[in-house]
Parts: sequence; C-alpha cells; structure tokens
Amino acid sequence: NAGVTQTPKFQVLKTGQSMTLQCAQDMNHEYMSWYRQDPGMGLRLIHYSVGAGITDQGEVPNGYNVSRSTTEDFPLRLLSAAPSQTSVYFCASSYSSGTQGYTFGSGTRLTVV
Amino acid sequence: GQQVMQIPQYQHVQEGEDFTTYCNSSTTLSNIQWYKQRPGGHPVFLIQLVKSGEVKKQKRLTFQFGEAKKNSSLHITATQTTDVGTYFCAGRRGAQKLVFGQGTRLTINP
Repeated sequence: NAGVTQTPKFQVLKTGQSMTLQCAQDMNHEYMSWYRQDPGMGLRLIHYSVGAGITDQGEVPNGYNVSRSTTEDFPLRLLSAAPSQTSVYFCASSYSSGTQGYTFGSGTRLTVV
Repeated sequence: GQQVMQIPQYQHVQEGEDFTTYCNSSTTLSNIQWYKQRPGGHPVFLIQLVKSGEVKKQKRLTFQFGEAKKNSSLHITATQTTDVGTYFCAGRRGAQKLVFGQGTRLTINP
C-alpha cells in the first residue's frame, strides 16, 4: 500500500513550457485534490475531484487543468508555466470529501524560470 | 468566500514549555481538521472535530472545537523537539471544500 504517490519530486521549467504533475493513490479513495503551498499562505486548493469523471475548481484554478479518468489517478497540467506558479504542489486524497482526513503525497517542488 | 484564519504565524518556545495555536472562521463550520507538517515534509492528518464544544486528546496534544463551531485550538503540553513543524487547521462548511489556515510554525529551543 503506497498511499499517495506524486511524481516528479522536483522540476524546473522555463516560462511558457507545459508539463503534467502526476498523482496516483492505491487506497480506492473517491476524493482527490491538488493544493499549492507558498510561504505564509498555507495550502490553497487548485482543483478537486469527488470521483472518476468529475472535477471542479478550487480557490486558484487559473493556469491549471485536471482530469479524472480513473479512481486512482488525478494529474495536474500546467498549460503555459509562469514564474508565479513556482511553488510546492501537494496532491491529497480521502474516502469522502466530508468525513475523512486527507492523505497527502510527498509533494512536487516546481520552479519556473 | 470562506476564510480560516490561524494565529500566531510563528511561535518559538523552550523545550518543556506549552504551545497553543488558534483557528478562527468567519462562518460556522461543519467540521475542522488539524494537520502537522514537519520541515521539508508533507501535511499529516492529526484529528477531526465535528461536535460543538468537542475536546479530544492525543497524548500531550489537546484539540478543542468552539461552542459556536467557528473556532478551534490545538494545545501542546510540555513541548518536545519532535513537536517541531507547522500546524494547520482546515475547516469545512457543509459539503464545501476544505479550506486551510495559513499555519503556525513551531520552533523549539532544546
């Protein structure tokens, strides 16, 4: 049981490049979400999904896309990277959105130059 | 939108001293969760509070949910160096998304 797996752990992008951050969980969790963490700002929700085929926007969705074709995977796509997207990204999952604590992945540290 | 404010932002204590972090919401919450993030690590779920006035304990940690379900606190008794990290509260109103506070970073002088 690996929990929530995020890849890559580190990434450097040039402005304008696109990339996909991968997130996979093996706990059969329905709910998955992406957060970004910036100094002094806590964790801000980017996008979330309550089940396969269902996604919705969080607090800071601009510049990011998601899809949820399977229960296990919830990739986050940066369409055209900007320096403002330099951050640490965490994927989290839980059995349901309202009653369970989240299990977080180990994070992806992204730098956009 | 829903706001969850957490204070203080930083707290430095001597080992053995107590520590408290406070979480306040502008709206009534259906539940509140607490997480701990060690330096360089990821948030780890500690506990969830659901009932008005609820108090839960985990060894030296005491979690409290206010009577109006708008505030919460985490108190650590006799801190140890293993308590170092950032503590986050996260609140939810109804079926809405979980909103995290800014976190309180705890450092400890051994």
